[in-house]
Formats: sequence, structure tokens, C-alpha cells
Amino acid sequence: GAGVSQSPSNKVTEKGKDVELRCDPISGHTALYWYRQSLGQGLEFLIYFQGNSAPDKSGLPSDRFSAERTGGSVSTLTIQRTQQEDSAVYLCASSFQQGGNQPQHFGDGTRLSIL
Amino acid sequence: AQSVTQPDIHITVSEGASLELRCNYSYGATPYLFWYVQSPGQGLQLLLKYFSGDTLVQGIKGFEAEFKRSQSSFNLRKPSVHWSDAAEYFCAVGARAGNMLTFGGGTRLMVKP
Repeated sequence: GAGVSQSPSNKVTEKGKDVELRCDPISGHTALYWYRQSLGQGLEFLIYFQGNSAPDKSGLPSDRFSAERTGGSVSTLTIQRTQQEDSAVYLCASSFQQGGNQPQHFGDGTRLSIL
Repeated sequence: AQSVTQPDIHITVSEGASLELRCNYSYGATPYLFWYVQSPGQGLQLLLKYFSGDTLVQGIKGFEAEFKRSQSSFNLRKPSVHWSDAAEYFCAVGARAGNMLTFGGGTRLMVKP
């Protein structure tokens, strides 16, 4: 497909377990973003990748959250020792280039539920 | 740091009526401005964007938005709403020196038949 692809679409896990969320950006897009969408908090920026540069991790809420991007394409967001407050929709977006003027194209998200 | 406020959490309009969704931003210079729409269970779709130039911008699905520097606003409008427009709408700001978008809290639009 031509859009941003995220998997799984839904994930239910027990508190304390680790989870991995995957994002396949649009082919040719060099910038990749992760956001979290939760009730009461709106859309929060988590982390940003651009090419081979060091990622901007300024939005990660705790050291339980990490992300990597392999080969400048696919990205994985990992949450260790999940807590109930991690329940949210995790959205991935990509853009052709970096910059505040670059429209970001979003995937459908992964809905994460922590029991 | 930039911020975005969408004062209306919920709006209900009748099908065929006009629509205006409000967005106010805080930023030290002229920002990059975006409106996105999110249908249930889906990601965000870009409706339109403003970078510079003509302050009235046209987008997809018959939407338009007007940038008003004096009011720090970027309101979204549509002359005649369709039932399929029911969704959540997000205004966002992109900083000229930054990369990520800062989003408002969203406005949920309901359309009455």
C-alpha cells in the first residue's frame, strides 16, 4: 500500500509485560514520527527520526519507552514493563523531509490496552 | 514553545448548515498551520495547510481555512456540511525551526440529519 502501515492494529496485554509496536512509513519518506493519543492528553509527540541522524527523543515520557528505526525505514516503538497509564492509541507518521512545514502522513494507529 | 487551542470540544450542526471550527495558536513568528481530520478507528488525514502568502487556503472535501495574524487564529470552515463530515478535527502548528507538530485538543463534530 501507499500509506503508513502500523501493526498490530490492536494490542491487549497485562501490566508489566513488554510490547513492541511497528511502523512502516511511506516509501521514500525520510522523516518518521511517533505520537501518543490518549483521553485527556490529546496528541503528544514522542520521538522523531530523520535519516541517519540521532533521533529526537524529547517527547518520550519515561525510560520505559524506546524506539529504533532500522535501515532508515521501519520503526519499532518498545514499551517495557507496561503500566495502565500507557493505554492509548500510538500513531506513527512520516514525511518526505524534515521540517515544520512538511505535511505528516499518519497510519491508523495501534490501540494499546493494558489490563 | 508553541501551543494550539481549540476552544470547542464538541460541535453539533445540521446537515447542510455551515461550519466553523476555531483554532488559536501561540508562536513567536508566523507558524506553519495544518488542519487534520480523524474518523473513528483511523489515523489523521491532512485537510489543508498554510505556510505563507494568501491567507485563505483551500483544502480537500470542500474545506477552507483563513489565517488571521492579528487574532492568532486559523479557523476551519465549510459552507455546507455533509453527514460524512462527522469526525474529530485537529489543528496543528509546525515550528519553523522544529520538526514535530503541536496539536490542539481536537473538536468532535456531530452532524444532525
